[in-house]
Amino acid sequence: DGGITQSPKYLFRKEGQNVTLSCEQNLNHDAMYWYRQDPGQGLRLIYYSQIVNDFQKGDIAEGYSVSREKKESFPLTVTSAQKNPTAFYLCASCNSGLAKNIQYFGAGTRLSVL
Amino acid sequence: AQTVTQSQPEMSVQEAETVTLSCTYDTSENNYYLFWYKQPPSRQMILVIRQEAYKQQNATENRFSVNFQKAAKSFSLKISDSQLGDTAMYFCALLANTGKLIFGQGTTLQVKP
Repeated sequence: DGGITQSPKYLFRKEGQNVTLSCEQNLNHDAMYWYRQDPGQGLRLIYYSQIVNDFQKGDIAEGYSVSREKKESFPLTVTSAQKNPTAFYLCASCNSGLAKNIQYFGAGTRLSVL
Repeated sequence: AQTVTQSQPEMSVQEAETVTLSCTYDTSENNYYLFWYKQPPSRQMILVIRQEAYKQQNATENRFSVNFQKAAKSFSLKISDSQLGDTAMYFCALLANTGKLIFGQGTTLQVKP
């Protein structure tokens, strides 16, 4: 069945280590997004991509990197430059065009620092 | 700048009663969309309801309805006949021509038996 799959569900990072969060969708959506959620807070946009091989920084892109080599996939790398990575990360996708722009979300990845 | 404000961090309601969650927003655009998302303890974000700014009629989805006041930039969510499964954090969100979804800080709703 169609949907957005995020993996892993839980991830632990050691100091100085880069880690990659996976996001895959089979909804044939053009646009994909990464959000960060801190406890008791709303979602903040990290990166987004509206088309393959193109992506833009969101509001809190520092310390993160992304790629969009395939329409279905939008992995997020949390680099060692991100000094406070502990958070809940949500991936979303939607069809492009304002008239269709409902974002659907994956189940999220909880990242913690060891 | 576009902003979304939810001024009620926490609310509670008795089962079967009605509750209204508040949201105000700011945008200079004339064409935009407003959303309410629900995040239950599982942390999965679920779309509750969507309102298109150019439509005057308030959106309704079963027990969920909105009161959209465009001039006042207000977008409240009414939940009728509250159920225990409605316990969740609710987020108001604004989507304008930037393609970026702007979220409020959320309101935690507790439905009591």
